[in-house]
Amino acid sequence: GNSVTQMEGPVTLSEEAFLTINCTYTATGYPSLFWYVQYPGEGLQLLLKATKADDKGSNKGFEATYRKETTSFHLEKGSVQVSDSAVYFCALTLTGTASKLTFGTGTRLQVTL
Amino acid sequence: EAGVAQSPRYKIIEKRQSVAFWCNPISGHATLYWYQQILGQGPKLLIQFQNNGVVDDSQLPKDRFSAERLKGVDSTLKIQPAKLEDSAVYLCASSLESVNEQFFGPGTRLTVL
Repeated sequence: GNSVTQMEGPVTLSEEAFLTINCTYTATGYPSLFWYVQYPGEGLQLLLKATKADDKGSNKGFEATYRKETTSFHLEKGSVQVSDSAVYFCALTLTGTASKLTFGTGTRLQVTL
Repeated sequence: EAGVAQSPRYKIIEKRQSVAFWCNPISGHATLYWYQQILGQGPKLLIQFQNNGVVDDSQLPKDRFSAERLKGVDSTLKIQPAKLEDSAVYLCASSLESVNEQFFGPGTRLTVL
């Protein structure tokens, strides 16, 4: 079956620090990969996605590269802000079809001044 | 474009009571999903509809949970009777039929006492 493993949080960083949140996956077939963000009291928002190997998804300064050889999709940002404080979820689904998302357990990020 | 709507946003009930949640997907989205997100975990799929037909309900506890999407638009998820372990956020998402990008509503936070 499909599964996603994320690094455990919480991750606490000072503003302007470099962020990495690790994500690895196991999938039957050829998945699409996603990062979703959940701000306090809000629903899930798509942050970025990649649908094939070596694709780089990017949005709001965040980046993640689909690495098929290491089955990874690590999230990075060069300089975090207090407003980035949220829970980040890595997820996968089958490519090209409307099918369920399989999520990791989420990583809470806390950015302080 | 309006997003996915859910109501109520919060619900508190006692165990063995019943409860219902409502979801209105993005206009034109044929696929609708209900996910359960227990505190500290990633969302898990309960049921997926394609128009008004069920695609995947393998993780739905059918002895107490039911869902319907009668006209292929709005959907209702019901729990009867509720148990303490049903305390969670219930998320509704929708997508176009052949695309795997899902859009989430704000969720309904259920507390069972």
